[in-house]
Amino acid sequence: QVQLVQSGAEMKKPGASVKVSCKASGYTFISNYIHWVRQTPGEGLEWMGVINPSGGSTNYAQKFQGRVTMTRDTSTSTVYMELSSLRSEDTAVYFCARDPAFCGGDCYFDYWGQGTRVTVSS
Amino acid sequence: EIVLTQSPGTLSLSPGERATLSCRASQSVNRNFLAWYQQKPGQAPRLLIYGASSRATGIPDRFTGSGSGTDFTLTISRLEPEDFAVYFCQQYGSSSKTFGQGTKVEIK
Repeated sequence: QVQLVQSGAEMKKPGASVKVSCKASGYTFISNYIHWVRQTPGEGLEWMGVINPSGGSTNYAQKFQGRVTMTRDTSTSTVYMELSSLRSEDTAVYFCARDPAFCGGDCYFDYWGQGTRVTVSS
Repeated sequence: EIVLTQSPGTLSLSPGERATLSCRASQSVNRNFLAWYQQKPGQAPRLLIYGASSRATGIPDRFTGSGSGTDFTLTISRLEPEDFAVYFCQQYGSSSKTFGQGTKVEIK
């Protein structure tokens, strides 16, 4: 069965960076784009961007341009999301989510990771 | 960016009742590319509906999506105990995908 398993909770200080992983299993890794979505009490669900695991191309939401980097490791079927220059407003639960195979990154999300809580505090 | 506004914020209903949730877009959603998700506390969202009206795999037929353009509706025909949760709409017709703020369906 399809699974997206994310890394554990993180606590970071303002100005630091965080890197969250998302390991895929149960399907052909390079067939489906992977998105990152975060959830905060204030802003709700926010789409951060998407990566094509096949070629590694990315498309980031304007809000996160310059601060977010998404990468992938095809040997381990894992996608990574790194967010830099953290501030308190980045405290959130971060989800990876899969796009159906035929969508090419322009779709809804049919499977989600369990979420990773990132807390930014001095 | 397309802003999605969901109403009501909270819906208080009893099991067996009908729930009607609204999602209004600030501009027309391209090709009616609108999805609905259910989220329970401590869990990730679960896909219910895509393409405004297509049920995802394994979703019971008491969940129905409808609408087009800027106005979309999720109807739950008869609420089961497991349906009490928060529901989000999402548009994916533009390159920047956006979500509504959610409607909480709570037990009356």
